[in-house]
Formats: sequence, C-alpha cells, structure tokens
Amino acid sequence: DAKTTQPNSMESNEEEPVHLPCNHSTISGTDYIHWYRQLPSQGPEYVIHGLTSNVNNRMASLAIAEDRKSSTLILHRATLRDAAVYYCILTSSGYALNFGKGTSLLVTP
Amino acid sequence: DVKVTQSSRYLVKRTGEKVFLECVQDMDHENMFWYRQDPGLGLRLIYFSYDVKMKEKGDIPEGYSVSREKKERFSLILESASTNQTSMYLCASSVPPPPDTQYFGPGTRLTVL
Repeated sequence: DAKTTQPNSMESNEEEPVHLPCNHSTISGTDYIHWYRQLPSQGPEYVIHGLTSNVNNRMASLAIAEDRKSSTLILHRATLRDAAVYYCILTSSGYALNFGKGTSLLVTP
Repeated sequence: DVKVTQSSRYLVKRTGEKVFLECVQDMDHENMFWYRQDPGLGLRLIYFSYDVKMKEKGDIPEGYSVSREKKERFSLILESASTNQTSMYLCASSVPPPPDTQYFGPGTRLTVL
C-alpha cells in the first residue's frame, strides 16, 4: 500500500483555521485520499475524501496538490471538539485501511 | 447519516470464555469489517465480509471467527478468550465500488482477565 507521512502533532488556537498536511509521494492513479479523525476511546470518524479535485463538506475542506503527492485537510475554525488524532489514508483496491500514526491536534482556548 | 452500532462499549470477560461482539449498520452496506486497535500497532484487520454468509480472513484471524447471517449484522466471536485479546474492537461498513469509504462504530473496549 502507498504510504502517507504526517506530522506527529500540531497545535491550534480555538476559532482559528487549521491546516493539517499529508505527504503521499507514491500515490497511484486510482488511490483516493481519505481523512478520518479519532477521539480517545472512540471509533474513527470519517471526515472527507477526494481523488483529484479539492473537496468541501460541512466538516472540512480537502486541498489536493496538482501532482497529488500531497494534500491538506483544512478545518476552517477549530473548536475544542476538533481535538483528535487525524489520519490521512490512501485507499484503492483491497479492503484493509492502513491507519499509521496520524497527527495529534491540540486545540487551546 | 450512516450509523454503525456495536453491542457494548466496554466488556470484561475471563480467560476461556466465549465472547460475542455484535455490529449492526443501517445503511444497507455490502461490506463489513472487524478490526482491533492496539497502541503502537494501529488498526489491524481481523475479518471482513462482502455479502451475507461470505467472509474473508484479514491479517490476524487466529482465535476469532465471524458470522454474517443478515446483511446488516456482522458478529465477531472469540472462541476462547485470552489475555492477549484485550483490545479495542472496531466494526466498520462500506459500499463498493471505490472510494469505498468505511464508516466505523464507536468501538468495544474488551478486557480479558
């Protein structure tokens, strides 16, 4: 499976935008970019996904580089409830999700 | 919204007991999955099912079995629980084709004493 690289941790102030980066230089043409987040002792929560174009939904935006070798999850106004571990995952054929270590986001009031 | 529910959030069992973990999804998804999540090891796939009565082994099926008699329900069975099966168990469902987004339940924290 193609691998992703994310910073171990990031910090943000409440109500400020947050940009969470992800590098995936070995992405293949059929790989989708998925983002999930996970709060302590809870199951992963789907956030957003994309293939080539930037995507927006009610939770976040996903900006995908033109060469698709990197992407950025954008939380427009961080809240305390957004503090979680964020995972960037590539998916194509096959079923198992490879959740790596993700980025632990700390949001301070 | 997709909803995946799991029968228990927390469970404590004794070594040797037979344990049933139930998962139900309400979105008519074909695919269902069982993972376990342990610190430092990430998510590991135990079994998955792509149709009723169909099952496929994942990366770590030993000591587990599964049952899918109805499309919405996928059960994970620990035939004889052992302490090394203490873990967070996560169920997920999805509908093919790609992107095949998986939606997760809240998880069951199982402790085997």
